Amino acid sequence: DAGITQSPRHKVTETGTPVTLRCHQTENHRYMYWYRQDPGHGLRLIHYSYGVKDTDKGEVSDGYSVSRSKTEDFLLTLESATSSQTSVYFCAITPGLAGGKTDTQYFGPGTRLTVL
Amino acid sequence: GENVGLHLPTLSVQEGDNSIINCAYSNSASDYFIWYKQESGKGPQFIIDIRSNMDKRQGQRVTVLLNKTVKHLSLQIAATQPGDSAVYFCAEIYTGANSKLTFGKGITLSVRP
Repeated sequence: DAGITQSPRHKVTETGTPVTLRCHQTENHRYMYWYRQDPGHGLRLIHYSYGVKDTDKGEVSDGYSVSRSKTEDFLLTLESATSSQTSVYFCAITPGLAGGKTDTQYFGPGTRLTVL
Repeated sequence: GENVGLHLPTLSVQEGDNSIINCAYSNSASDYFIWYKQESGKGPQFIIDIRSNMDKRQGQRVTVLLNKTVKHLSLQIAATQPGDSAVYFCAEIYTGANSKLTFGKGITLSVRP
């Protein structure tokens, strides 16, 4: 899993509660990404980061926010979870400092989130 | 995730046979392509990539073919093994201005013993 850890690996929560998912890497990669994966869909980009405090939106960013206060951690927050956010969430990195968002991405093990 | 294979087409092959998994991409300007493998309950795993200036690239037991004329990518797996059972999907990448990476939905490969 490219040296990426995600926590928690599984979470069940209720509609309206805030949820934060964590992605951690130890190899000083510059680019980090959050995707969601749903049956019948390809991976869809939520947000990505190209450095500490540098983030940008992906194609399905509504209802999500991110933060990257240090290189190794990229946090995804659902401010008020909804049932439509039930999904499997994957963190990914592009290796190295020079790689950009169109270079090869490597994925973490995923977090399964259920919003009741 | 565990349900990633739902709603996906399935390719069933006999163990030991060769598998061919196909992907149609959408952007004729895409210039970089990747194949990923995703086993149940795990994250996608990089298998092999190919640039648009190539037609074929070989790895260990896998070969990727690119036909730019018809915007088609294929992954060939030689001597398919039970451990090859997974969802396979391609990614097409345009690296020019307004760069874009798009993942395909994938195909489930099921290997019969």
